[in-house]
Amino acid sequence: NAGVTQTPKFQVLKTGQSMTLQCAQDMNHNSMYWYRQDPGMGLRLIYYSASEGTTDKGEVPNGYNVSRLNKREFSLRLESAAPSQTSVYFCASSQQGEKLFFGSGTQLSVL
Amino acid sequence: KNQVEQSPQSLIILEGKNCTLQCNYTVSPFSNLRWYKQDTGRGPVSLTIMTFSENTKSNGRYTATLDADTKQSSLHITASQLSDSASYICVVRVASGGSYIPTFGRGTSLIVHP
Repeated sequence: NAGVTQTPKFQVLKTGQSMTLQCAQDMNHNSMYWYRQDPGMGLRLIYYSASEGTTDKGEVPNGYNVSRLNKREFSLRLESAAPSQTSVYFCASSQQGEKLFFGSGTQLSVL
Repeated sequence: KNQVEQSPQSLIILEGKNCTLQCNYTVSPFSNLRWYKQDTGRGPVSLTIMTFSENTKSNGRYTATLDADTKQSSLHITASQLSDSASYICVVRVASGGSYIPTFGRGTSLIVHP
């Protein structure tokens, strides 16, 4: 039972570098989400995709782009990484905002 | 202003003791409320769901309550165990333009000491 799979688990970038976080789910969920988690701030929504072919901004979208490649996959791209983007990133999926299933997270450090 | 407020921010208790975590929300229209448990280094996992018509629901040693009139929920943990050490997050589901966006509280960090 894979559930939600995120890659990579750890990443270190230099300021200005770009990277893409990958996320895939095998539960046939319509909705997928990207969150970041910082100490004392809780989980904050970056972008979400309510269904295949649609994406919308969340609470903290600046500096990020997303692609809903198909129903299974939802990627998050940092075009020019900044130290403020150092965080733990979680991908999640659900059926129309019902119970969220989370990936194991990506710990990103931007130097 | 966060629309889902949790208290306390952190809590330390001794193994075997009980504790209660609080969640107050202002988001609307309300659909349901879930409590998630997040172990260190892992993603959150759903513990229980409360809908508008439910007052109390138990899942083993976890009991959640909901007062939809006052917009308050609590999570009571009975006979705590070391494995209960985690962050507990209250998440309220609202309806927004046909898609459903969960709104997160910042969580309560619980430490259970032997």
